Amino acid sequence: AQRVTQPEKLLSVFKGAPVELKCNYSYSGSPELFWYVQYSRQRLQLLLRHISRESIKGFTADLNKGETSFHLKKPFAQEEDSAMYYCALSSYNQGGKLIFGQGTELSVKP
Amino acid sequence: EAQVTQNPRYLITVTGKKLTVTCSQNMNHEYMSWYRQDPGLGLRQIYYSMNVEVTDKGDVPEGYKVSRKEKRNFPLILESPSPNQTSLYFCASSLRGLAYEQYFGPGTRLTVT
Repeated sequence: AQRVTQPEKLLSVFKGAPVELKCNYSYSGSPELFWYVQYSRQRLQLLLRHISRESIKGFTADLNKGETSFHLKKPFAQEEDSAMYYCALSSYNQGGKLIFGQGTELSVKP
Repeated sequence: EAQVTQNPRYLITVTGKKLTVTCSQNMNHEYMSWYRQDPGLGLRQIYYSMNVEVTDKGDVPEGYKVSRKEKRNFPLILESPSPNQTSLYFCASSLRGLAYEQYFGPGTRLTVT
């Protein structure tokens, strides 16, 4: 069965420190992975997708098929990065089905 | 303004009283989806629609119905709500499936007593 696991409910770091939000998945086919972010009092929005290989707001994520992971990283955290982050999984042959992880709350302290 | 709207934003109801949460988008998007968000469980997909008259089950479809008669609207129907359907519900749309960015609505907080 498809599953997405985000092992940390809460991650607290100081401004300027590196950040890594973990995401592991289980899926036997070809996965498509996403990171979504929800800032306080704002709508959920897409942060990045693995196939686009882009860096958004300084965040990057690399799909590691061997370790079935898609960790989100940023070298220097900013206070405005404080938000709820969700990892999500879809597949190329399952149409519009999307599986989310439980979410990780990132708190960046000054 | 391009947006996804949901109504109502807040609803308190009683067990068994049928209700509908509306979702509308003005971006001519083909794909629409419903999610529920619960503490500790994250978001879970209820139903999605790839286009008009095409709907399919997500991860947690039990107790819910949807319809897609027009491209812009994707209502979520709870025929007989129960307390375990108390949740925060989000509707989302994208141009054409998950290969495109999903735009989320503001959410509907539903309480079933």
